[in-house]
Amino acid sequence: DAGITQSPRHKVTETGTPVTLRCHQTENHRYMYWYRQDPGHGLRLIHYSYGVKDTDKGEVSDGYSVSRSKTEDFLLTLESATSSQTSVYFCAISELGPWTENYGYTFGSGTRLTVV
Amino acid sequence: KQEVTQIPAALSVPEGENLVLNCSFTDSAIYNLQWFRQDPGKGLTSLLLIQSSQREQTSGRLNASLDKSSGRSTLYIAASQPGDSATYLCAVPLLIYNQGGKLIFGQGTELSVKP
Repeated sequence: DAGITQSPRHKVTETGTPVTLRCHQTENHRYMYWYRQDPGHGLRLIHYSYGVKDTDKGEVSDGYSVSRSKTEDFLLTLESATSSQTSVYFCAISELGPWTENYGYTFGSGTRLTVV
Repeated sequence: KQEVTQIPAALSVPEGENLVLNCSFTDSAIYNLQWFRQDPGKGLTSLLLIQSSQREQTSGRLNASLDKSSGRSTLYIAASQPGDSATYLCAVPLLIYNQGGKLIFGQGTELSVKP
């Protein structure tokens, strides 16, 4: 989607090295998310952000950290990459209108990360 | 705990056929339900978003219905085409006050439309 971009699109890295993935949005949405997608596991939430400097853990957060210093950028860092973190990583954004309405997600194109 | 299930896991149909994909959820207190499409090696593209107050949404050859009381949604694809081949995912948000929400996904239906 034009309003959300992920970088890099592909990356190969060595075990034990730190890696940072970037998600950039132009929609000024408050909420941003990092998911990983693996065969047999579907999409799983890693971390999410509900505002600048406001973040929380998802269901598979071990080995990952995030930062959000600006509304438009949400960074995912693998502190010391392991082979189990080989995956496709998706960023998503969303916004709330009225509390129970107008709530939908937009996903980025993904980053394919291989840890060797 | 909200769980989302999609049946069937895979579906193969000849071109031109009308088809229905199913999505069920265990907690009927949902705010909305979203259908996505994912092509191999690509990201998720939003197809339709149905709010909790709506019964259906339409976009071109796609029609999604929502029955909260029975915990079901269906995605109807009319006159299927080979270009419709993809994995279709349904998802519902688990909202957390002032923190947005987390999407709960089904495992997806892999659709193949044969020429």
